[in-house]
Amino acid sequence: SQQGEEDPQALSIQEGENATMNCSYKTSINNLQWYRQNSGRGLVHLILIRSNEREKHSGRLRVTLDTSKKSSSLLITASRAADTASYFCATDWYSSASKIIFGSGTRLSIRP
Amino acid sequence: DTGVSQDPRHKITKRGQNVTFRCDPISEHNRLYWYRQTLGQGPEFLTYFQNEAQLEKSRLLSDRFSAERPKGSFSTLEIQRTEQGDSAMYLCASSPQGTETQYFGPGTRLLVL
Repeated sequence: SQQGEEDPQALSIQEGENATMNCSYKTSINNLQWYRQNSGRGLVHLILIRSNEREKHSGRLRVTLDTSKKSSSLLITASRAADTASYFCATDWYSSASKIIFGSGTRLSIRP
Repeated sequence: DTGVSQDPRHKITKRGQNVTFRCDPISEHNRLYWYRQTLGQGPEFLTYFQNEAQLEKSRLLSDRFSAERPKGSFSTLEIQRTEQGDSAMYLCASSPQGTETQYFGPGTRLLVL
């Protein structure tokens, strides 16, 4: 079964608005990553947050991690048409740091 | 181009045939991963190599699947006696030692008729 589950499964917003996606996972982790996948460019790494970090920023991206709730959120500010993609959280297994497990993803659509 | 490359990009085969996919990782990345992705789902881990050693293998990987990385550079994934349920995108990723970030190739889309 998937380690991480994203919520919502699909999200449609107006260009310029902020988009928030959530990820919940089941077991202890060393780190959590977010990846983006669109049809033209495949899977691309966005950001990694470690289990001892609570918040991390990268450009228009803001990621939070709450290990007590086993959850993470990805905020994309000032969305653009190019942000249209599927977004996946991926967690490592605490006992097997070489393997990462992906969630089922949030499909984000940006309306012009 | 210095990214991860996969070949072929698309493969159509008949049920029962064998297929082999190739992945060329980013140069000097000693870790290599194979994933399978079906429509609407996230990638599922299949197997992992560190250099030429296959260190982990998912229970998803039945005995019809085999992967190799003979010289610690490129890798091949072979599926024997393909079944319609094997239809999926097969993704390869690599990463250098000391980082958890994985760099993905464009994938090989397999259709089993």
